[in-house]
Parts: sequence; C-alpha cells; structure tokens
Amino acid sequence: GAGVSQSPSNKVTEKGKDVELRCDPISGHTALYWYRQRLGQGLEFLIYFQGNSAPDKSGLPSDRFSAERTGESVSTLTIQRTQQEDSAVYLCASSFSERAPQHFGDGTRLSIL
Amino acid sequence: GENVEQHPSTLSVQEGDSAVIKCTYSDSASNYFPWYKQELGKGPQLIIDIRSNVGEKKDQRIAVTLNKTAKHFSLHITETQPEDSAVYFCAAILSSNTGKLIFGQGTTLQVKP
Repeated sequence: GAGVSQSPSNKVTEKGKDVELRCDPISGHTALYWYRQRLGQGLEFLIYFQGNSAPDKSGLPSDRFSAERTGESVSTLTIQRTQQEDSAVYLCASSFSERAPQHFGDGTRLSIL
Repeated sequence: GENVEQHPSTLSVQEGDSAVIKCTYSDSASNYFPWYKQELGKGPQLIIDIRSNVGEKKDQRIAVTLNKTAKHFSLHITETQPEDSAVYFCAAILSSNTGKLIFGQGTTLQVKP
C-alpha cells in the first residue's frame, strides 16, 4: 500500500529483553518521526530523521532507546533491557519534508510482562 | 516549556449537532497546527491543518480557526454523524526547525444516533 507501514503490529515480551520495531515510510518522504502513545494519552515525540541523520533525538527517554534509518527508507527503533513502563503504542510518521503534513502508521503495540 | 492544552477531554453530542474542540499553545512562534482523528487500534489520521498565515480553513463539514493573538485554535465539526465518533488530537509545531509535533491530550467525541 501507499501508507506508512509498521511491524510488528503487536509485540509482547518479558522485562529485560530487547525489542526492535520497524517503520517503512511513504516512498519519497525524507522526514521520519517516532512517537510514543501511552494508554489514553496524547503522543510524545521521540526522534526525528531527515534522510539517515537524526537532528533531533530530544524525546528519547533514556539511553536504552535508540533508532536508525537506512537512507530515506526503513527506520528501526530499538529498546534495550525493556521495562514495564515502556509498554505503549509506538507510532511512526513520515512527511515529504520537514514541517510538511505528517502521515502516521497504525503503530506497534508493545506490552512488557 | 512546550505545551499544547486541549479541551474538553470528552464530548458527547447528538447526531446532527455541531462539535467544537479547543486547543491553546504556549509558543507564540508556532506556525503549523494539524488536527488528527484516531479510531480504536489505528494510527492518527490527518483530517485538517492550518498554518499561521490564515485564520480559518474549511473542508466540507470540518473547519479549523486560529487566533494567533490568543494562541488558540479550534476544530469545528458540523452535522455530526456516528462515524465521527473517535479521539481527536490537536498538535502544533513549535518554533524549532525539526518539525516535531507537540500533541494535546485528546478529546473523545461520541456522536449519539
């Protein structure tokens, strides 16, 4: 399809394990964003990519969180040594350029047992 | 600090009535204000947006107004239908260059048939 694709859609893992979340942006979109949404809450910004560089990582909550992006394509968000407070929906968005309208995927629902 | 406040948190209207959701923002240099609709289990869907050089924008039953002096913007939905029932989020891009969105806490809209 033509939209933002995220995988997996659901992930259940044990506390202390590492997880990797994937985002395929809309083709041609140079800007890519990761957000986190806790249950019943608004979205919190995590990190922004322009191409494969990350000029804004200010929202990453701890050094357990990292992300990378290959060119202007796929991005991966990695959470190491997961904690129960990491349970949330992780959403990815892409846009044609910085400050252009952002289009979201359906997210990965992460549950830490 | 960076902040977007959204009211009300819940809104219940009768089918055919209008619904209004309001947001205020803290950074007077903010210049882009999107509205998203989120259905259960889905990612946020962009429904309308406005930039700071206009005061109002309309798309069929949906309109957004912006008051830069008061630093608030509102979503208006007319002739509401049951399928309008969802969580609505306002957001703002602040004066930094990265395009990261700061979201309000969301409004759960229920349209009763």
